[in-house]
Amino acid sequence: DAGVIQSPRHEVTEMGQEVTLRCKPISGHDYLFWYRQTMMRGLELLIYFNNNVPIDDSGMPEDRFSAKMPNASFSTLKIQPSEPRDSAVYFCASSYPGPSGANVLTFGAGSRLTVL
Amino acid sequence: AQKITQTQPGMFVQEKEAVTLDCTYDTSDQSYGLFWYKQPSSGEMIFLIYQGSYDEQNATEGRYSLNFQKARKSANLVISASQLGDSAMYFCAMREANSGYSTLTFGKGTMLLVSP
Repeated sequence: DAGVIQSPRHEVTEMGQEVTLRCKPISGHDYLFWYRQTMMRGLELLIYFNNNVPIDDSGMPEDRFSAKMPNASFSTLKIQPSEPRDSAVYFCASSYPGPSGANVLTFGAGSRLTVL
Repeated sequence: AQKITQTQPGMFVQEKEAVTLDCTYDTSDQSYGLFWYKQPSSGEMIFLIYQGSYDEQNATEGRYSLNFQKARKSANLVISASQLGDSAMYFCAMREANSGYSTLTFGKGTMLLVSP
């Protein structure tokens, strides 16, 4: 299996532009998570899906952020309009249910976003 | 209150020595899972080891072991015979039953540097 695939790996954009980050989870995993990592706040959960349905988006910072999962093999995280404070590494992760809550999250390589 | 606390921002160890990375957690759940992830300078998040709250024995995975002390709510990672490639950020994380074993909450991390 190729693992969780994220694109782009690096994105540099100007303030006000739309940014779309993409994720392909591991086949058979029915949970998909979007995390954001910054020096100040560490790893924060933004949103997660179960069977393509958004379950908890309470971590999404504001309305500029949106996420979709149109099918089991694809998800997007969109920021519109982007701001410099959105600069971070965005991770996608997927998992399947395991016994005793031992759901190991497998992470993608991350998308490093820089907003100028 | 923070759910996961890692009190050591940085740790230094010499090659071939053992090192313990501290992690304490806060939960009112009886059922939960504890995880450790490694993040090398390349940025990916690598799963290392898992401990379930009902597991009676400490988890081990090769050179990694988890010193689980339930009453103290601690889940320290022990790396035996450190190698230069162990230099990385290490994150402790928890998944709780009251979140449906879905979301994973991370600590701030500990930077480990292994010297020759």
